[in-house]
Amino acid sequence: QQPVQSPQAVILREGEDAVINCSSSKALYSVHWYRQKHGEAPVFLMILLKGGEQKGHEKISASFNEKKQQSSLYLTASQLSYSGTYFCGTANSNSGYALNFGKGTSLLVTP
Amino acid sequence: EAGVAQSPRYKIIEKRQSVAFWCNPISGHATLYWYQQILGQGPKLLIQFQNNGVVDDSQLPKDRFSAERLKGVDSTLKIQPAKLEDSAVYLCASRQIGQSNYGYTFGSGTRLTVV
Repeated sequence: QQPVQSPQAVILREGEDAVINCSSSKALYSVHWYRQKHGEAPVFLMILLKGGEQKGHEKISASFNEKKQQSSLYLTASQLSYSGTYFCGTANSNSGYALNFGKGTSLLVTP
Repeated sequence: EAGVAQSPRYKIIEKRQSVAFWCNPISGHATLYWYQQILGQGPKLLIQFQNNGVVDDSQLPKDRFSAERLKGVDSTLKIQPAKLEDSAVYLCASRQIGQSNYGYTFGSGTRLTVV
């Protein structure tokens, strides 16, 4: 079941904040976030497990609301290097099956 | 540690021809995935291996796609015959067994163009 991401695209000025959402119609066990720059492989950012935890990595953090079956990625004080396409990948159980990825959110940070 | 290696980096073929992609996962990673990423979309799972066994190939178009992972290390994905709609980037990723709290490591992918 493919998760739904919103918005599809965001344009920011350096230093502004952004939120990217990921929702699923099925119960979630875990949510992964990846960033992909043009022509490159997706790079793992963070993983959230059910339990509603929130994680952070420098100025990028994420939350996971198990009841609402959704996750949000927060980019604070964006930098030019944050530009790229962000994907969420979801797992519906801990059975070891592969992630289902959303269609992605394109983020462009301008000077 | 070395990353996930894929080759070739680019491939252009005519429709109805065959093509093969190769992936060498991170040493010790028992789980290997092949994803298809069409331009402007998210990666879509084709097949998942654990060691040399198939865990999930429900989305693999088996009439034309095949994959194997001999000896539980390298893997090969083949398309025969190719169609225009197979034009995409084919990504290989790996993860260690039991590391459900860890992310995937992706290779750089093979960009296939079918003309």
